[in-house]
Amino acid sequence: QVQLVQSGAEVQKPGASVKVSCKASGYTFTSYGISWVRQAPGQGLEWMGWISANNGDRHYAQNLRDRVTLTTDTSTSTAYMELRTLGSDDTAVYYCVRKPMGAASDYWGQGTLVTVSS
Amino acid sequence: DIQMTQSPSSLSASVGDRVTITCRASQGISDRLVWYQQKPGKVPKLLIDVAATLQSGVPSRFSGSGSGTHFTLTISSLQPEDVATYYCQKNDNAPLTFGGGTKVEIK
Repeated sequence: QVQLVQSGAEVQKPGASVKVSCKASGYTFTSYGISWVRQAPGQGLEWMGWISANNGDRHYAQNLRDRVTLTTDTSTSTAYMELRTLGSDDTAVYYCVRKPMGAASDYWGQGTLVTVSS
Repeated sequence: DIQMTQSPSSLSASVGDRVTITCRASQGISDRLVWYQQKPGKVPKLLIDVAATLQSGVPSRFSGSGSGTHFTLTISSLQPEDVATYYCQKNDNAPLTFGGGTKVEIK
């Protein structure tokens, strides 16, 4: 069965960086993309970006473009999201989501809580 | 970038009521619209793709319609297990923006 298993919760100080991993199993990793979505406490869903696990093509949300980097490691079927220069408004649950070409994002990781606090 | 606007932001209805949620795109997106359901403390669940295609296992009381800039999600007979926040998302080209969400509660 399709599974996306994310790395554990993180606490980071303002100005630091965080890197969240998302290990995929149960499907051919390079046949899909991975989207990243975050949700601040009590808030809605925010699309952060997408990366193709096939060829590395990527798109980022405009407001995060300068601080976020999405990568994949096809040898381990793992996707990564790095967010730099963290501020308190980056405190959120971060999700990776499988994204078929031309279809809706279907399988979600369990989420990783990133807390930014001094 | 295309903006996605949902209305209402919250609603309260009785069990058995018909509930309609609206999602508007600031520019046309054809039928490239997705609906998700997020129950409290849970991961979002895909309900509907390409505006009207119900995902396997989703109860038939859920339906989607629309194209271009105006879309609706309808629950024909609200059930207690439908208490959740519902999100639309454009799925044409990046950025794949979400609507702000509609919180559905039981009166």
